[in-house]
Amino acid sequence: DADVTQTPRNRITKTGKRIMLECSQTKGHDRMYWYRQDPGLGLRLIYYSFDVKDINKGEISDGYSVSRQAQAKFSLSLESAIPNQTALYFCATSDRAGDYNEQFFGPGTRLTVL
Amino acid sequence: GQNIDQPTEMTATEGAIVQINCTYQTSGFNGLFWYQQHAGEAPTFLSYNVLDGLEEKGRFSSFLSRSKGYSYLLLKELQMKDSASYLCAVLDSNYQLIWGAGTKLIIKP
Repeated sequence: DADVTQTPRNRITKTGKRIMLECSQTKGHDRMYWYRQDPGLGLRLIYYSFDVKDINKGEISDGYSVSRQAQAKFSLSLESAIPNQTALYFCATSDRAGDYNEQFFGPGTRLTVL
Repeated sequence: GQNIDQPTEMTATEGAIVQINCTYQTSGFNGLFWYQQHAGEAPTFLSYNVLDGLEEKGRFSSFLSRSKGYSYLLLKELQMKDSASYLCAVLDSNYQLIWGAGTKLIIKP
């Protein structure tokens, strides 16, 4: 079984709709991250969470919100989707800073906003 | 601002050696990562450098020069399965990963 899972894997939606992407992990990591990836651009951080009570904005948080329901679950919401939010979204986890901080990625969610 | 530069695309021949360069300008430095990403898949960890020098791991090696803000990933005995994008990422002073756009490596028979 995968350590980091994302649902759905693919989603097509319309402009203005509310969308939730879910991430679950069994690695026991405290830190979780949401990224988006666009062709020709690097991974860009949307939000990150160092524990259940800690949520932080990343580089491109506008238009997104998150919820850390438990150590193992971190959800990303698009309140009112727009076409330029079409991208590949990755969830990632890591153990703690000060150490390796290697990030482990989920399989990704391909989101298309029409 | 923070910036990481990598070539967009490189082509190499099966069995050969290729070097993928990465230069960075970041707010602080707490290590540099290389990840491999096959098309449509998640990035997977290849290497981590925090001290200057060469780290070797099988067919893959990674080099770091902190004074020059420079790293490279060296892939030897290239195989067709090495066709992928290679992502350079730097851990900055806030322990956030800053990612390069990636280098797409095409391997030809």
